[in-house]
Amino acid sequence: NAGVTQTPKFRILKIGQSMTLQCAQDMNHNYMYWYRQDPGMGLKLIYYSVGAGITDKGEVPNGYNVSRSTTEDFPLRLELAAPSQTSVYFCASNLQGMAGELFFGEGSRLTVL
Amino acid sequence: QQQVKQSPQSLIVQKGGISIINCAYENTAFDYFPWYQQFPGKGPALLIAIRPDVSEKKEGRFTISFNKSAKQFSLHIMDSQPGDSATYFCAASKGSARQLTFGSGTQLTVLP
Repeated sequence: NAGVTQTPKFRILKIGQSMTLQCAQDMNHNYMYWYRQDPGMGLKLIYYSVGAGITDKGEVPNGYNVSRSTTEDFPLRLELAAPSQTSVYFCASNLQGMAGELFFGEGSRLTVL
Repeated sequence: QQQVKQSPQSLIVQKGGISIINCAYENTAFDYFPWYQQFPGKGPALLIAIRPDVSEKKEGRFTISFNKSAKQFSLHIMDSQPGDSATYFCAASKGSARQLTFGSGTQLTVLP
């Protein structure tokens, strides 16, 4: 199994550009999450989804949008990129009932210049 | 508001020594406390976890100690090895969606 797959691994954006970070999982997990990781700050939850068609905001949702049309995919959209969105983004998933055990992708490093 | 505070930020230990990382939480609704291990260029991976009805959990060289009254928990790595060098995150979760709140991380270096 591939687990959680994120693309791209690296991306450089100019201020004001938009892009989508892709996330796919092949474990048939109901729950999916997007976190951002900044040095010395741990991981902050951006958005999460408890199933196809259902999404909700996390701690730091401003500047981002998500959709969940299938169980497998959970893309994260950045509109009007800003330098503050320079970060490493992690997608994760878990199966309902597996309390706290998230399976993470390898991350997408985004730089906004 | 940081709901899970982690210390130290960095830790250097000699091979064979004991590594200790501490976390404190504020929200008494948290009911699950995992530790994640992250190697450079990789995503975090679950290392060990505990629930608040247990004061200690041991898995191999890794032990979680939990103090519910003090709202604190810690990770002990016995006989630390260079391969343990990584960033460690404590976390806490609550609710049906099992959203995790992470600590700020501890970069552990084990010297050979």
